[in-house]
Amino acid sequence: QVQLVQSGAEVKKPGASVKVSCKASGYTFTSYGISWVRQAPGQGLEWMGWISAYNGNTNYAQKLQGRVTMTTDTSTSTAYMELRSLRSDDTAVYYCARPVGVTHYYYYMDVWGKGTTVTVSS
Amino acid sequence: QSVLTQPPSVSGAPGQRVTISCTGSSSNIGAGYDVHWYQQLPGTAPKLLIYGNSNRPSGVPDRFSGSKSGTSASLAITGLQAEDEADYYCQSYDSSLSGFWVFGGGTKLTVL
Repeated sequence: QVQLVQSGAEVKKPGASVKVSCKASGYTFTSYGISWVRQAPGQGLEWMGWISAYNGNTNYAQKLQGRVTMTTDTSTSTAYMELRSLRSDDTAVYYCARPVGVTHYYYYMDVWGKGTTVTVSS
Repeated sequence: QSVLTQPPSVSGAPGQRVTISCTGSSSNIGAGYDVHWYQQLPGTAPKLLIYGNSNRPSGVPDRFSGSKSGTSASLAITGLQAEDEADYYCQSYDSSLSGFWVFGGGTKLTVL
């Protein structure tokens, strides 16, 4: 079955970087992209960005531009999200999800990883 | 503030019908982009509930339905059950600088 398995919880100090992985299985990885969504404690969902596993094209949320980088390794069907210059308000659960649809204007996320908790604390 | 506006909370008794609204603007829902809905049970990842305004993925009960009109969309849940207690989020595409894909702020459904 289609599955996205994420890496384990991380604790980082302010100013550090974190890299979260998302390993896909059960489908042709390069036929889809991977989207990243985060959720701060007690808050709603925030879309962070998207990467095409086909050609590596990316689109990042404006507020994260310059601090986030999304990459893929097609040899292992794994997507990565790196967030730099971490602040306390980056503390959140980070989800990867598979976007599907006719075009990106109509994409929705049909499969989600279980989430990776990232805690930023001194 | 979220680009898509949802009521923070709704509630209903078992067996009742509840609706959750999602209000956008001319750069997202009003521009004709689809609305999708997700259900998030406590402590779990979101789950796709409705896609393309009104389509249910296989396995989602027909008690859940979606609709869209103008700059708004709605999620309706009939025959409310205790296990429906969760957070619900709408999502769409936005053509402004707000971002590519946007979520509503979420609605907490309480089954009384």
